[in-house]
Amino acid sequence: ETGVTQTPRHLVMGMTNKKSLKCEQHLGHNAMYWYKQSAKKPLELMFVYSLEERVENNSVPSRFSPECPNSSHLFLHLHTLQPEDSALYLCASSKGSYITEAFFGQGTRLTVV
Amino acid sequence: QKEVEQNSGPLSVPEGAIASLNCTYSDRGSQSFFWYRQYSGKSPELIMSIYSNGDKEDGRFTAQLNKASQYVSLLIRDSQPSDSATYLCAVELGSTLTFGKGTMLLVSP
Repeated sequence: ETGVTQTPRHLVMGMTNKKSLKCEQHLGHNAMYWYKQSAKKPLELMFVYSLEERVENNSVPSRFSPECPNSSHLFLHLHTLQPEDSALYLCASSKGSYITEAFFGQGTRLTVV
Repeated sequence: QKEVEQNSGPLSVPEGAIASLNCTYSDRGSQSFFWYRQYSGKSPELIMSIYSNGDKEDGRFTAQLNKASQYVSLLIRDSQPSDSATYLCAVELGSTLTFGKGTMLLVSP
């Protein structure tokens, strides 16, 4: 148990569906991140939030929409995804956005059919 | 472009041996360096952080940093089969943590 909880753990969705991934951290951290991990590729940073404000958006397609209502919760809203978006989506948190140790949740394995 | 390079492996070592994992990075401004362990089907787990040149030891793990040569390494002493995993090197610059592709380590009994 790392203190970062992601739900759901597995998700299968069609290309026309809308779904959301949820992340919650119980570590008192101020920064939260979404990463994408595809097979044979390094972890790709998608979004960074610091004190609930987005500080980085790495040219992620608009079909991915993040939301950070408070410093403990982070969402990733998904709509009209493509099969190539199938991957492991990882949430992480750290004390500050100027990187200290980042702790990951268990991830959501997403399959787009 | 910020890059972190790791040999993908697999690196195979017998139980009890020393496993040496290496990582190079492109950005001289990087200040913080991390090693994560990722078991198959699981999320990355932080095992070491290092910020200054030299060695940092934690149990069977030793991280080594050489900023002049832009490399960071992880030594695992007395390797155990339970150490078999993919080891990810991560390098910080500003608010971004850039990961390598990881090195798969296989420790045979």
